[in-house]
Amino acid sequence: AQKITQTQPGMFVQEKEAVTLDCTYDTSDQSYGLFWYKQPSSGEMIFLIYQGSYDEQNATEGRYSLNFQKARKSANLVISASQLGDSAMYFCAMREGRPNDYKLSFGAGTTVTVRA
Amino acid sequence: KAGVTQTPRYLIKTRGQQVTLSCSPISGHRSVSWYQQTPGQGLQFLFEYFSETQRNKGNFPGRFSGRQFSNSRSEMNVSTLELGDSALYLCASSLVSGPSSGANVLTFGAGSRLTVL
Repeated sequence: AQKITQTQPGMFVQEKEAVTLDCTYDTSDQSYGLFWYKQPSSGEMIFLIYQGSYDEQNATEGRYSLNFQKARKSANLVISASQLGDSAMYFCAMREGRPNDYKLSFGAGTTVTVRA
Repeated sequence: KAGVTQTPRYLIKTRGQQVTLSCSPISGHRSVSWYQQTPGQGLQFLFEYFSETQRNKGNFPGRFSGRQFSNSRSEMNVSTLELGDSALYLCASSLVSGPSSGANVLTFGAGSRLTVL
């Protein structure tokens, strides 16, 4: 079974508007971490935001915020005031809390294209 | 500070050859992970090293191997290359290890893009 599901293969957004990227996850662990990464066409994965399973408040980092709904196992990324430089692939990822298992499971990604 | 450095950035090999990719983590980072990214399979975990020990391995054949040196630099090797090994290989390092701490953010390199002909 997929641990991370991103249902939006691609999205278009107008410059200066907000966009929400969906992510749902599947784990039976109580302790886990959720991450969002951005991958421009250059290939490098750029860390955007992190949410711990025990964090009561939604994480925010500048224009990025994470809408964490634990009961629904949802961790959507919101990008506010989109910029042309936000055009990239976005990946949701999870690290589960098992001992000696620190790998990230990634979703399939969502391609965001920002239009001027 | 310097980021994660991967070399070479691009390489072309033929079937049956072997390849070695190198990764220098951020100074002070002791955990190094490798991921394979392909259009069909997405991002898949290869292995993770911490203090020169492989702690976890993904579901890849034995042709894929790696190691970590005492200075935390890591190499991965793919022997008897197949066409399906064409991919972007990403290395990532992290400061500490633990399940859900924010300090365990992986910092990725720019990747090594391997083409197998």
